[in-house]
Amino acid sequence: AQSVTQPDIHITVSEGASLELRCNYSYGATPYLFWYVQSPGQGLQLLLKYFSGDTLVQGIKGFEAEFKRSQSSFNLRKPSVHWSDAAEYFCAVLTGTASKLTFGTGTRLQVTL
Amino acid sequence: GAGVSQSPSNKVTEKGKDVELRCDPISGHTALYWYRQSLGQGLEFLIYFQGNSAPDKSGLPSDRFSAERTGGSVSTLTIQRTQQEDSAVYLCASTRAASGNTIYFGEGSWLTVV
Repeated sequence: AQSVTQPDIHITVSEGASLELRCNYSYGATPYLFWYVQSPGQGLQLLLKYFSGDTLVQGIKGFEAEFKRSQSSFNLRKPSVHWSDAAEYFCAVLTGTASKLTFGTGTRLQVTL
Repeated sequence: GAGVSQSPSNKVTEKGKDVELRCDPISGHTALYWYRQSLGQGLEFLIYFQGNSAPDKSGLPSDRFSAERTGGSVSTLTIQRTQQEDSAVYLCASTRAASGNTIYFGEGSWLTVV
């Protein structure tokens, strides 16, 4: 069965610093990969997704992610973090045969001013 | 509406009571999902609908949980004889098809069992 690992439970960065959130998946074939963000008291908002093609995908709010098949990773990056980026970030995988998204446990991002 | 709509947004209920949570997916979306997010936990899959049928209900935690979908649109998640451990955010999501498309989430129904 597919699984998603987000090794970092909590990350703190200074505003203006760069950010990388790690995500590793386990699946035999190429999965569909997603990053969602959840602000306190809110639902999940899609940041970006990878289905096929270019392994570097651009998303909203200045985020990008790179799919690396050899490392089974789909790390999320942002060159300069803003205070409003403080939230919880979830990586998820959807396989071609499965009917559901499998989520990682999330990474909580704190931004210091 | 433009997004996935869930109601109620907040519900406080007494232990042992039944609750119903409603999800109105995006128009035209045939696939619908329910997830549960407990405090300090990740997102737990509950059930998936394709049209009115539920090919995957593997995530329902007990027989106190049930869900239905009528007319290929609105879905209701019912929890009978609620327990305190049922306290969580229940998230609904929808998409045009089971795979290959973006899955959109509602803002959730926050359930507190006291």
